[in-house]
Parts: sequence; structure tokens; C-alpha cells
Amino acid sequence: GAVVSQHPSWVICKSGTSVKIECRSLDFQATTMFWYRQFPKQSLMLMATSNEGSKATYEQGVEKDKFLINHASLTLSTLTVTSAHPEDSSFYICSAYPQGHQPQHFGDGTRLSIL
Amino acid sequence: AQSVSQHNHHVILSEAASLELGCNYSYGGTVNLFWYVQYPGQHLQLLLKYFSGDPLVKGIKGFEAEFIKSKFSFNLRKPSVQWSDTAEYFCAARGGNTPLVFGKGTRLSVIA
Repeated sequence: GAVVSQHPSWVICKSGTSVKIECRSLDFQATTMFWYRQFPKQSLMLMATSNEGSKATYEQGVEKDKFLINHASLTLSTLTVTSAHPEDSSFYICSAYPQGHQPQHFGDGTRLSIL
Repeated sequence: AQSVSQHNHHVILSEAASLELGCNYSYGGTVNLFWYVQYPGQHLQLLLKYFSGDPLVKGIKGFEAEFIKSKFSFNLRKPSVQWSDTAEYFCAARGGNTPLVFGKGTRLSVIA
């Protein structure tokens, strides 16, 4: 079945560091991918929609200069958290779905901890 | 705006009790509906989905959900819960090719 791979699974870094998270669709092409964030004991909140070959669409309240998204190919989207601070610590999850009546497939998520 | 609401924040049940978790959505047009489960420390898993056809959908692990269009609801049910069903349950919806929108989740605690 369709698989979405996310890397790394866990990042611990110092405040001020920029962190890049990769999301790949392994056996299907995804012109669109989605990035979600989940704070502890809360629901998934959509951050942005990543579009292959064009700019990402950000949800209200999400800083596009803070969370850089690049969708360079039909199987890869990256999310870069720039100059990360402790309040950016969260669980980041990417998702994509094949065309047609298919459920959305989720990566395993990246736990980001900023010290 | 599109939204999904889950009525119960935390549900506590004894083993073998029946479960029903409420979910209501606010969408115009065709809607696809989903229930996901997230076990402690793990990622999301799809329990079941509704796209069209029979409004009673059966999923994995004995779960089912019923789409009632007139009530804009997609409640999740299980006749007899087990301790291993302790998890967070998320209802989600999307229209067409839009991204999934999640409800706030319901924490289910099953006690022996």
C-alpha cells in the first residue's frame, strides 16, 4: 500500500538552530503534501499545504518565513524550521494521498525538541 | 469554514462496555470521513473511512461508524471495548482534494 516516509524521527538541538525534515512518498507520486503539527495531548493542526513546483499554502497563524517548505519533486517535500526556539518543540507530521478515493497516508512524524 | 467537532474530551469505560464517540462535521458538498487512532507514543493509524455507499462502515479491530448525512455525524462505535483500546481517537474530514481537518480528539481510557 501507499507509504509515506519521514526523516528524521527525532531531533534534539540548541535554540537558534535550523532543522530540516524530509517527507517522501515511497510508492506513489504526490503533487500535494501536507504538514501538520501536534502539541502534546492535542490534535493535529494543519500548518501548510506543499505544492510541487510552486509555493506552499500556509494556514492562518503559521509563519511562512519560520517554516520553509520546499516541494522539489513529486516524491519529496521538506519542512525547515528556521532559527528554532523552545516553543517550536512539537511533533511534526507530513501526509499525502494518492489520487482518487484514497485515504491520506501519514509519515511516522518527527519529534522536535529545542533546548 | 470546514470544521470537525468531537463532543467527548475524555471517556472512561470498563472492559466489555460499549463505546460510542461522537463526531460532527461542517462541510459543504461531498465529504470524506475518517476515524484515526493514536496509541500512546505511536503515530496515527486509520481505523475506517467513508467515501460513499453504505453509510455503515466497518473498520479494523471491531470498530464501525455510521454516516448520518441529515445529522452531519459520523459516530464511532464498538460493542465491547478492551483494555488495549486505550488510545486517542480522532475524527477527520475532507472535501475533494483538500487536506484532512481533524477534530480535537477523544481520549479513551479502558479500565479492567
